[in-house]
Amino acid sequence: QVQLVASGGGVVQPGRSLRLSCLGSGFTFTNHAIHWVRQAPGKGLEWLGLAANHGRSQYYADSVKGRITISRDNAKSTVYLQVDGLRPEDTAVYYCTRNADHVNDFWGQGTLVTVSS
Amino acid sequence: QPVLTQSSSASASLGSSVKFTCTLSSGHRDYFIAWHRQRPGEAPRFLMKLEGSGRYNKGSGVPDRFSGSSSGADRYLTISNLQSEDEADYYCETWDINTLHVVFGGGTKLTVL
Repeated sequence: QVQLVASGGGVVQPGRSLRLSCLGSGFTFTNHAIHWVRQAPGKGLEWLGLAANHGRSQYYADSVKGRITISRDNAKSTVYLQVDGLRPEDTAVYYCTRNADHVNDFWGQGTLVTVSS
Repeated sequence: QPVLTQSSSASASLGSSVKFTCTLSSGHRDYFIAWHRQRPGEAPRFLMKLEGSGRYNKGSGVPDRFSGSSSGADRYLTISNLQSEDEADYYCETWDINTLHVVFGGGTKLTVL
């Protein structure tokens, strides 16, 4: 069955960097773009960006552009999200999603990032 | 960039029907959307892709009680025979063909009475 397992979350001090991973299985990984979406406590969904299926293109939301980097290793069926200069407002559950036909049709379980000193 | 507008909350009785609305901003009324459900403490789940024509494709395992429809800039999700497990937040999503960015609506919180 389709699985997306996000990992790498935890408690991080403000100003630090963090790299999250998203491991995909149960589908042909190279056929799909993978997106990152976050959700701050009690808030709605915020799209962060995507890695195209071939890994050569990335697109980022204006709100986080310049602070995040998305990369992809198809040999490992893994997509990465690096967030630099972490701020308390980056505290959120970070989800990776599989995209098919321009919609996010499967969500991973998410990983919690808490930015606190 | 498209903007999606959703009511913040809705309520309906067990066994009844409820219809959610997601409204596309001016200039984007032909866009397709996706509907997602998020139960408390869980990750979101894809429900369906809904086109401006009203045609929709549901995700795997989504019950027949869930259906979609469209009218102009409005995209609808209807749930019939409401169950207690339908109590959740419902989000719509679309994709901007020009920037390749994804946009989410603010979500509607459903309370099942």
